[in-house]
Amino acid sequence: SQKIEQNSEALNIQEGKTATLTCNYTNYSPAYLQWYRQDPGRGPVFLLLIRENEKEKRKERLKVTFDTTLKQSLFHITASQPADSATYLCALSGGSYIPTFGRGTSLIVHP
Amino acid sequence: DGGITQSPKYLFRKEGQNVTLSCEQNLNHDAMYWYRQDPGQGLRLIYYSQIVNDFQKGDIAEGYSVSREKKESFPLTVTSAQKNPTAFYLCASSMGAREDTQYFGPGTRLTVL
Repeated sequence: SQKIEQNSEALNIQEGKTATLTCNYTNYSPAYLQWYRQDPGRGPVFLLLIRENEKEKRKERLKVTFDTTLKQSLFHITASQPADSATYLCALSGGSYIPTFGRGTSLIVHP
Repeated sequence: DGGITQSPKYLFRKEGQNVTLSCEQNLNHDAMYWYRQDPGQGLRLIYYSQIVNDFQKGDIAEGYSVSREKKESFPLTVTSAQKNPTAFYLCASSMGAREDTQYFGPGTRLTVL
């Protein structure tokens, strides 16, 4: 069956460091992949979309990579700030435009 | 100010009662969705609608019902048949096209007493 894996353990880092979150998938051939941010008690907010034929996408301090051979996406936040603390969800879409979401990884940036 | 709204923010229900969660969008999006989120879980799709007067079951539709009489509105009814209704419910909308991104509402937290 299709499976999306994100680290269930929270990622704790110091302010100013680069945070790297991982999204792995199996039995899936996504056409594109998205990352969303979710704050406690609120709805997710879209951050970035990367297509299967793209290796890397950047937006300000955010960078996403997509390796269809490894079946993995990495999400990087450079120069992290306490305000970046949130849960980050990856979502994969194949033939349908309706994405399947991972469970998310909590990021905690310590001042 | 465009967006998607959900009401109420918090909802309490007694066992055996049906309850309806509201979702409205003014983004002119064709597609709308309902998700359920439990602690430590991902978003699970309950129902979705691509056009008015049409909707499809998602992965966990049992115990839920929806309607799509207007493009802007997609209410969700949690029926008494839903065994574990306590959860955080999220409504979303999108263009309904390839490389779509979803716009989420603020969510409704339902607690069954």
